[in-house]
Amino acid sequence: GQQLNQSPQSMFIQEGEDVSMNCTSSSIFNTWLWYKQDPGEGPVLLIALYKAGELTSNGRLTAQFGITRKDSFLNISASIPSDVGIYFCAGRGNYGGSQGNLIFGKGTKLSVKP
Amino acid sequence: DGGITQSPKYLFRKEGQNVTLSCEQNLNHDAMYWYRQDPGQGLRLIYYSQIVNDFQKGDIAEGYSVSREKKESFPLTVTSAQKNPTAFYLCASSIFANEKLFFGSGTQLSVL
Repeated sequence: GQQLNQSPQSMFIQEGEDVSMNCTSSSIFNTWLWYKQDPGEGPVLLIALYKAGELTSNGRLTAQFGITRKDSFLNISASIPSDVGIYFCAGRGNYGGSQGNLIFGKGTKLSVKP
Repeated sequence: DGGITQSPKYLFRKEGQNVTLSCEQNLNHDAMYWYRQDPGQGLRLIYYSQIVNDFQKGDIAEGYSVSREKKESFPLTVTSAQKNPTAFYLCASSIFANEKLFFGSGTQLSVL
């Protein structure tokens, strides 16, 4: 079946650092979405990508749709304490079965460096 | 203020009991979804509905049931057949199928 690997699983950030995370799939996707989830809340959409090679920014966040269509990257520049949370990637391909529904990665948990 | 409202925020189920989670949206979205989230896991699709009076099973539909009698509402019933119901349940909607999802704030279901 379709698989989506998100890494790293967790990371610690110090204020001001840049952060990178990525997702790779075993199949070609035509949509990549990036969400952030705070504890006890629903995920909030950060960036949507629809075209291979697309690079899109939302403030300090930048995401890219890989040219192979099997991966996507999210970068956070100059991190601040409120960036803490869990970041999920989600992808969608042109598959039957579940009508092309989204597949979610397991998330990257960002915490503040002690 | 447009959005997706889930209630209650916390719910407790006794053994053998059915419980219903509410999801209402005023975004005029056609499609609605229910996901289950377990700690450290991604979101898994339970059921989805692309249009009123129609819904489809997702990847983990066993032990759950839904209805879509109104465009704004997509309640989820966790039946007694679901033996491991403790999880965080998320409702989402999209303007139509295969578009980006917007989520509610979730319901935490626990077993007494």
